[in-house]
This record gives sequence, C-alpha cells and structure tokens, in this order.
Amino acid sequence: GAGVSQTPSNKVTEKGKYVELRCDPISGHTALYWYRQSLGQGPEFLIYFQGTGAADDSGLPNDRFFAVRPEGSVSTLKIQRTERGDSAVYLCASSLSFQETQYFGPGTRLLVL
Amino acid sequence: DQQVKQNSPSLSVQEGRISILNCDYTNSMFDYFLWYKKYPAEGPTFLISISSIKDKNEDGRFTVFLNKSAKHLSLHIVPSQPGDSAVYFCAASTPYNTDKLIFGTGTRLQVFP
Repeated sequence: GAGVSQTPSNKVTEKGKYVELRCDPISGHTALYWYRQSLGQGPEFLIYFQGTGAADDSGLPNDRFFAVRPEGSVSTLKIQRTERGDSAVYLCASSLSFQETQYFGPGTRLLVL
Repeated sequence: DQQVKQNSPSLSVQEGRISILNCDYTNSMFDYFLWYKKYPAEGPTFLISISSIKDKNEDGRFTVFLNKSAKHLSLHIVPSQPGDSAVYFCAASTPYNTDKLIFGTGTRLQVFP
C-alpha cells in the first residue's frame, strides 16, 4: 500500500514569507508526527497528533510554527515569517496508533533564502 | 544537550564482515530504543527495537544489544551487504512520552565489496 507522502518535496522561499508543508499519512493511521532534520543532525521532534488533536506540541520551536490536522488524516505544518534558520528537511511520520512503529515520509526540503 | 549520541559519524566495512554501530545516551529515563536506517532522499525506515527489560534483540542479520549500566547500545549487522550502506539513526523514548522519539546524529555506514 501507499506510504506516507509529503508535498512539496522541495520548497524555496524568501526570508519573512509564509509556507505550508503537507503530509498524507498511511491510510488508517491515527497518529501523525512532525520532525525537523537540520544538516548533520538527527530528526528532531516537533509535534504529535492523535486523531485531530495535538497530543504533544512541546517540540515546536516558537509561535511561528503551527500544525493542524482538521479531519484526523492530512496534516499541514505552517511556518510564518520564515527565517534562514528554518532551513531543514521536515519529516512527517504516521503510526497505526500511539506507541506503534512510526513510518516516515520522504520529507520536504525547505530552503529559506 | 544531546541526550542520544552517535560518536562515529561514519563507518566503512567490507562486505561479509560485521558492522557495529554504537549509540550512547544520557537520560536514565529512556526505556525503549530503536534503530532506523535512512537512504538518500528517503525517510528513515524502522529497523529494530529493544525494550529496557531486555539486553538483546535479534532479527535476521540485525542484533541490538543494550547495556543499561553503561547507557550504551549497539547494532550489529552480520554479514554486512552493500545494500546496507545507509545512514543509521539510534532513537530513544521515555515511558511517559513514548511517542516522542529522541534521535542521535546518525552514523553513515558504507559496505564495500
């Protein structure tokens, strides 16, 4: 079956602009996660959804970052007033339920100029 | 503060030999550990995991060893194959936050013929 998909695969934007990154989880998976991977680092947890609600958003770096999952399936990560330091690969993962194996998508590579 | 550390950024092993990837952690609350493998332009793929109640878990060519007193785990791949060439991430979680994975910085394994 289809895995986790993320769009766009690459996004180039200018400092100060707004961006949206989309994640389509594996069908039937109720839990969804966002991670950020900076160059030379491992994935860093941002936020986790169980259904429509954010169960843990402790990894969001500041209030410029926001994520939604209105119908419990697709999720959008929103970044306002982008900064050069936001440049990274943003990874999405989903799992059948909480405490289950997380399956990752290919990521969106964001470059802020 | 890096709670999960992979001190070897790269490892080169001949095909057929054993690959040993190491991981150290500082948080004594971690009770579940995972290894993920990542190919270029793809998301991390779950490989194997171990709970803190065990000291060894085996799955085919892959074995993970956990030494809780030393806060150290290792992944053994025997025999190594060229297709194993990838970046390997160690990750951990705590019992009160099982879905928030904390990743190491990764080790790039190259298996040459």
